[in-house]
Amino acid sequence: GAVVSQHPSWVICKSGTSVKIECRSLDFQATTMFWYRQFPKQSLMLMATSNEGSKATYEQGVEKDKFLINHASLTLSTLTVTSAHPEDSSFYICSAPRGYTFGSGTRLTVV
Amino acid sequence: SQQGEEDPQALSIQEGENATMNCSYKTSINNLQWYRQNSGRGLVHLILIRSNEREKHSGRLRVTLDTSKKSSSLLITASRAADTASYFCATDAGLTGTASKLTFGTGTRLQVTL
Repeated sequence: GAVVSQHPSWVICKSGTSVKIECRSLDFQATTMFWYRQFPKQSLMLMATSNEGSKATYEQGVEKDKFLINHASLTLSTLTVTSAHPEDSSFYICSAPRGYTFGSGTRLTVV
Repeated sequence: SQQGEEDPQALSIQEGENATMNCSYKTSINNLQWYRQNSGRGLVHLILIRSNEREKHSGRLRVTLDTSKKSSSLLITASRAADTASYFCATDAGLTGTASKLTFGTGTRLQVTL
C-alpha cells in the first residue's frame, strides 16, 4: 500500500531557530500533501495544503511566513517552522490524499 | 474549518466491557473515518464508512452513520487493555472518489483497565 515517510519523528530545538520536517511519498506520486498540527491533548487541525509546483494553501489563522511549506517534487513536501517559539511545540503530521495515508508524525519541542 | 464534536471526552471501562463513542459533524460529507492514536503518536486508521452506508463492521469494531443527524458512533466490543488510546472521528467533505482534507473531531480518550 501507499506509504508516507515523515522525519524526523521528534526534534528538540532552541527558541529562535528553524526546523524542517520532511514528508516523502515512497511508492507513489503525491501532487498534494496535507499538513496537520496537534497541540497536547487536543485534536488535529489542518494547517495547510501543499501543492506540487504551486503555492501552498493555508488555513485561516496559520501564519504563512512562519510555517513555510514547499512541495519541491512529486514525492517530497516539507514544512519549515521558522523562528520557532515554545508555543510552536506540537505534533505535526502530514497526509497524502491517496488512501488517506499519514506520515508517522513529528513531535516538535521548542525550549 | 470547524471541528466535529465527540463524546464522551473521556471514557474509563474495565476489560471485557464494550465502549461506545459518538461523533457529530457539521457539513455534508463524502465519508467518515475513525482513527486511533496512542499517547500522541501517529494515527492508526480503523474504519471508513461512506455517506451512503449506515453500518459497518471490522473485527470488534462497529460503526454506524446517520447522515440525517450528522452523527456517527464507534462501538468497540470486548475491550482489551491494548485498546487504551484516543479515538478520533474525521470527515471528508470533498468530492466523491477523491481523498481530500479531513476535519477531525475533538476525540475520546479511552482507558481500559484490567
